Order: sequence, then structure tokens, then C-alpha cells
Amino acid sequence: GAVVSQHPSRVICKSGTSVKIECRSLDFQATTMFWYRQFPKQSLMLMATSNEGSKATYEQGVEKDKFLINHASLTLSTLTVTSAHPEDSSFYICSALNRGGGEKLFFGSGTQLSVL
Amino acid sequence: AQSVTQPDIHITVSEGASLELRCNYSYGATPYLFWYVQSPGQGLQLLLKYFSGDTLVQGIKGFEAEFKRSQSSFNLRKPSVHWSDAAEYFCAVAGGFGNEKLTFGTGTRLTIIP
Repeated sequence: GAVVSQHPSRVICKSGTSVKIECRSLDFQATTMFWYRQFPKQSLMLMATSNEGSKATYEQGVEKDKFLINHASLTLSTLTVTSAHPEDSSFYICSALNRGGGEKLFFGSGTQLSVL
Repeated sequence: AQSVTQPDIHITVSEGASLELRCNYSYGATPYLFWYVQSPGQGLQLLLKYFSGDTLVQGIKGFEAEFKRSQSSFNLRKPSVHWSDAAEYFCAVAGGFGNEKLTFGTGTRLTIIP
């Protein structure tokens, strides 16, 4: 089946630094990808919709200047957490939409971000 | 706006016992409904989904779910749980074909006791 690779799986960084998370669709083209974040013991909250070749669409309350999304190719979307702070520590998960037949939405394995 | 409620935060069942996880949704039209499972530190794995047709859907790992429009529910069931089923389970709703943005419930943590 279709696979979505998310990297890194875990990252620890110092406060004030930037962290980039990659989401790749390995065997299908994904013009649309989604980024979610999940706080401990809470549900996944959609942050933004990433569209290949155009600007991302952010959900209400998500700072677009802090969470930079780039979807420069049909198989790769990146989320950059800029000037990270401890409150940005969270589990980030991407999903990629396969507009071909069959199963449509595939999730990455997530990235645990810890900001010290 | 669509929403999902999972009333049970944590459920504990004995291995071999039956399981039912509750999910209620709110959406103005016929929703697309999903159940996902998440193991600790992992991403999400789709168990099953409902788009249309037969309201009883079969999924992987022996799970099934029944869509009941009159009750706005999509409860997940398994006749006999295994220790490996211990995980977090999320119900989700999408706004219909072409709207793949999912709204998730808060999840139900399943603990299996021997």
C-alpha cells in the first residue's frame, strides 16, 4: 500500500532554533498534504493544508510565520517550526492525499519535537 | 462545523472480552467516518471507514463499526480483544468527498488486562 515517510521521528532542539520536518509520499503523488499537531493525551488538531505549488492554508489560530510550510514538489512537504519555544513541544503528524483510486489518506509516523 | 465526541477517555477490558468504543459525530450531511489506531509514539493506522452503502463496515484486525444515522453514532466493536489491541483509538469525520480535512475526537485509550 501507499506509504508516507516522515522525518525525523524525534528531534530535540534549543529554544530559539528552527526545526524542519519532512513529509514524503513514497509511491504516489500528493498534491495535498495535511499537518497536524497532538499535545500529550489530546487529539490531533489540524494546523494547515499544504498545497503543491501554492501557499498553505492555515487553520484559525495557527501562526503562519511560525509554522512555515513548503510543498515544492508532488512528493514532499516540509514544516519548519521557526524560533521554537518549549510550548511548541508536541507530536507533529503529516498526512498525504492520494487522489488516485482506492485508499485516499495516508499518515506519516509522526515527529516528536522537544524544545528545551 | 463538524465535530466528533468520544465519551470514553479510557477503557479497560480483559483479553478475550468484547469491546465497544463509542463515537458520536455532528455534521449537517452524510459524513465520511473513520476509525484510526495509534500506538505509543507512532502515527495513525486506518482501521476502517464509512463512506456510503452498508452501514456495518468491516476493518482490519477484526474490527467493525456500525453507522447509525438516527443516533449520529459510529461505534467501533471487536468480539474478542487481544493484548496487542492496547492503543489509542481515534474516531474522525470528514466533510464529504473532496473535503479530506479530518476532525478527530479526543481519543479513547484502551488498556487490556490479562
